[in-house]
Amino acid sequence: EPEVTQTPSHQVTQMGQEVILRCVPISNHLYFYWYRQILGQKVEFLVSFYNNEISEKSEIFDDQFSVERPDGSNFTLKIRSTKLEDSAMYFCASSEALLGTGGFEQYFGPGTRLTVT
Amino acid sequence: GIQVEQSPPDLILQEGANSTLRCNFSDSVNNLQWFHQNPWGQLINLFYIPSGTKQNGRLSATTVATERYSLLYISSSQTTDSGVYFCAATIYNTDKLIFGTGTRLQVFP
Repeated sequence: EPEVTQTPSHQVTQMGQEVILRCVPISNHLYFYWYRQILGQKVEFLVSFYNNEISEKSEIFDDQFSVERPDGSNFTLKIRSTKLEDSAMYFCASSEALLGTGGFEQYFGPGTRLTVT
Repeated sequence: GIQVEQSPPDLILQEGANSTLRCNFSDSVNNLQWFHQNPWGQLINLFYIPSGTKQNGRLSATTVATERYSLLYISSSQTTDSGVYFCAATIYNTDKLIFGTGTRLQVFP
């Protein structure tokens, strides 16, 4: 069964460093997402991406965050200058949905645990 | 925005017991999903169920969209069912999933 994959599974970085989290969505999916979960809290939406553009973003997704689809298979989340409060589990997801055509199931990757020291 | 509330927040069961988890949402939805977060933090898709009833083994789910709630049933619980169960919903004209705060389930032998 097709699945979303994410690398690395765990990343430790120092405050102020840049990190790139990588995701390979399911191959025929058109919509891509990033979510995060701070330890002990609920999962929060960060950004959705379609046709090489951000389609929606939350207030959490400020100028230190960026997303990119550098090739036909990868989808990345970059955090330019990490802060302690960026420590969280980051989930990538993908779906078949096209905006406005109704909800489709979102398939989640296993997550990348980011620890900022 | 849409509010998603789950109950109970915590549930402790003995192996073999049945349970019902509830998810209430404050607006009409076009997507409703249930997830199990395992001890390693992975989110496992359980059901995509914007309406109706589905069953998968010992688990089943029902969403009554007109009354804005969904239920997840776990029968004959096993220790491997332990973890946090989340429901999440999207409303029309957006594709972001809004998650509830989860139900933490502990199943003891």
